Amino acid sequence: DTGVSQDPRHKITKRGQNVTFRCDPISEHNRLYWYRQTLGQGPEFLTYFQNEAQLEKSRLLSDRFSAERPKGSFSTLEIQRTEQGDSAMYLCASRPTVDTIYFGEGSWLTVV
Amino acid sequence: GENVEQHPSTLSVQEGDSAVIKCTYSDSASNYFPWYKQELGKGPQLIIDIRSNVGEKKDQRIAVTLNKTAKHFSLHITETQPEDSAVYFCAASKGYSGGGADGLTFGKGTHLIIQP
Repeated sequence: DTGVSQDPRHKITKRGQNVTFRCDPISEHNRLYWYRQTLGQGPEFLTYFQNEAQLEKSRLLSDRFSAERPKGSFSTLEIQRTEQGDSAMYLCASRPTVDTIYFGEGSWLTVV
Repeated sequence: GENVEQHPSTLSVQEGDSAVIKCTYSDSASNYFPWYKQELGKGPQLIIDIRSNVGEKKDQRIAVTLNKTAKHFSLHITETQPEDSAVYFCAASKGYSGGGADGLTFGKGTHLIIQP
């Protein structure tokens, strides 16, 4: 257990519904990342925050995706109008003021 | 942007033998190279990392080597054990203060199978 907590661990939703994932990073880690991983692939970068500021977004982050980190602690990732192609594991990671990035256990999303 | 290639995609070795996984990267500005182990249904777990000012790093049965000139780095696992069976990912980044694309770029992973 790295100390990065994600909730829920599994979510099954119908196409067109909205879903929200929560991440609680390791305390005092100022950088927080979201990645997406599909079966047989490595994690792909989606976005990251330094404290409450969202500093970078990947082209993978369509306008149906929104991420927030309102108080610089926990973060949420919302997917609106889910599509079957959104089915994946969504990974959260946090980073102190050094290079090492610690991942959580991920939130599995299945869109049916 | 950065591109990381990883080989092989699957590696099967006898218990007790050594395993080697190789990665290449494209961006000469990358200076931080971690390796992660991922078990089924779990998130990636950092097992070892290396920075560009170091050529080799070892931690018990695991070692990583880096060749900056050739832009490749490798993971070496000696005396493999059944619990080493997992998917291993290499990654590259510019490090915390590197600016620009701050996150990790991952390879596609190697499924390591330890045969008893």
